[in-house]
Amino acid sequence: GQQVMQIPQYQHVQEGEDFTTYCNSSTTLSNIQWYKQRPGGHPVFLIQLVKSGEVKKQKRLTFQFGEAKKNSSLHITATQTTDVGTYFCAGHGYALNFGKGTSLLVTP
Amino acid sequence: DGGITQSPKYLFRKEGQNVTLSCEQNLNHDAMYWYRQDPGQGLRLIYYSQIVNDFQKGDIAEGYSVSREKKESFPLTVTSAQKNPTAFYLCASSSGEGDGEYTEAFFGQGTRLTVV
Repeated sequence: GQQVMQIPQYQHVQEGEDFTTYCNSSTTLSNIQWYKQRPGGHPVFLIQLVKSGEVKKQKRLTFQFGEAKKNSSLHITATQTTDVGTYFCAGHGYALNFGKGTSLLVTP
Repeated sequence: DGGITQSPKYLFRKEGQNVTLSCEQNLNHDAMYWYRQDPGQGLRLIYYSQIVNDFQKGDIAEGYSVSREKKESFPLTVTSAQKNPTAFYLCASSSGEGDGEYTEAFFGQGTRLTVV
């Protein structure tokens, strides 16, 4: 089945540093979605990318979809402690398939 | 107040017992999903349903069963055949494919199952 790989698995940064997580698929994706899960919580939808080469921004968060629609990235500029959590990418194949996520820890 | 509800939040069972986790949504979504989350493993798909009275196995369906008799409800039974049932279980729903795009998934609060 479709596999969605995410790296890194963990990232520890100082507050104010940038952060990037990468998502790669073994097959071409029709779309990619990004979710955030706070510690002890449930995943919450952040954004969906559909078009090849698409770039979307939400305040300090920048999302990119690769030209071949096989990879995506989430970049956070100047991290804050409120950014702590696990970020998941998810692609649609026969169902919504999630990567293993990147856990971000931000130290004040 | 629209949303997706899982109950209970915490569940303890003895080894060898079947247990059913509830998932209800009032979002009028066609698609519903069950995921299992273990530390460092991300979200692994157990079962999914795109329409009432139909469901498909996900990547780790062994030892689990589901039903979809109503659009609003998608209960998951963890059977005694599941070797390592202790985990965090998440239910999600989405309105499926629309206008050529998939819609976002909404998650319940999750059920943390501990089997002793």
